[in-house]
Order: sequence, then structure tokens, then C-alpha cells
Amino acid sequence: QVKLVQSGAEVKKPGASVKISCKASGYSFNLYAIHWVRQAPGQGLEWLGWISMGNGDTKYSQKLQGRVTITRDTSASTVYLDLSRLRPGDSAVYFCSRDSNTKAVDYWGQGTLVTVSS
Amino acid sequence: EIVLTQSPGTLSLSPGDRATLSCRASRNVASPYLAWSQQKPGQAPRLLIYGTSSRATGIPDRFSGSGSGTDFTLTISRLEPEDFAVYYCHEYDSSLTFGGGTKVET
Repeated sequence: QVKLVQSGAEVKKPGASVKISCKASGYSFNLYAIHWVRQAPGQGLEWLGWISMGNGDTKYSQKLQGRVTITRDTSASTVYLDLSRLRPGDSAVYFCSRDSNTKAVDYWGQGTLVTVSS
Repeated sequence: EIVLTQSPGTLSLSPGDRATLSCRASRNVASPYLAWSQQKPGQAPRLLIYGTSSRATGIPDRFSGSGSGTDFTLTISRLEPEDFAVYYCHEYDSSLTFGGGTKVET
């Protein structure tokens, strides 16, 4: 079955960077793009960006442009989210999700809590 | 940039009731690009409806989606205890945009 397994919780200081992984299994990794979405405590969902598995093309939220980088390792079926110059407002649960190829996201990782605090 | 406004913010209903959730877009949305997801506390969202009205795999038929243009609706025909959750509409063009969510509570 399709599974997206994310790396564990992180605690970072303001100004630091964080790198979260999302390992996919149960489907042909190269056929589906991966999105990253975050959710601040008690808040809604915010899209961060996506990466195409085929050619590695990426698109990022304008709000985070310049601080967010999404990469992939096709040999490891893993996608990474790198967020730099962290601020307390970046504290959230970060989710990876699979593009369904029908203009939606159909499978989600379990989420990774990132806490930014001095 | 598109804005999706969901209403009401909270819907207070009982098991067995019919739930009607609204999602209004700031500009026209092509039908294939509108989806709905459900999220329970402490869990990742789950896709319910894509392409405005197609149910995702394993989603019971009490969930239905409809609409066009700027107005879209998620209907739960008879609420089951496990349906009390937050529901998000989202639009996917070249990026994903989520509505603010509707909480269905008992």
C-alpha cells in the first residue's frame, strides 16, 4: 500500500535551518509529484511547494520563496524539505503529500513537528 | 492569487443529520481543480472528493461534492460519529490553495 513516512520532530533556534525527509513506498515513485504542506498549531493548511519526480522541477509558495528548497533522491524514493532562516512563526507540523495526478493530493505522511524557539 | 472562503466556520449537528459545507472562490475554478479533504485531530488530512464530485478511493457514498464556477458544496447525507472533523476545500492549478476549513462538531 502507498506509504509516506516522514522523519522525526525537530527543535531549532531562530535563524537555523531544518531538513525534513519523506520516504515513499508502495507505488512507482517516479510517476507522482510530492507536495509539502504545513499547519501551524490550531490553524489551517498552507501549501509550501512541490517537486516533480521525473525531472525534478519545483514550484514554491511565493511567501516562502528564497527560504524553501525541495529536493529528491530517486534512488532512495525520498523527498526532502529544507527551510532556512527559521522564525518562531515557522513552528508547525509539516506534511508531505502525493500528487494524485487528478489535481488533488491523495496520500499524506504522518507529519513532522518543527518547533522554532530560542 | 485565488482565495477560498469556507462557510460556516463551525457547523453544530447531530449524528444522522445532513451537513452542507460551502466553499466560495475569489475567481472561477475549473471543475477538475476543486477537491475536499477531511482532517481529524492529530491526523493528516484525507482526500474525500476530487474533480468537484468524484469520490476518492474508499470514501463512502454519503459524501458528495457539487458546484461550478465560484461556488462549491460538500454534502454529507447522514452524519456518522466518525464524520465529526474539519473539512477543507482546495484548488489545484499550478499550486495548491486551501480554504480556511469548516469544523463539523456535535
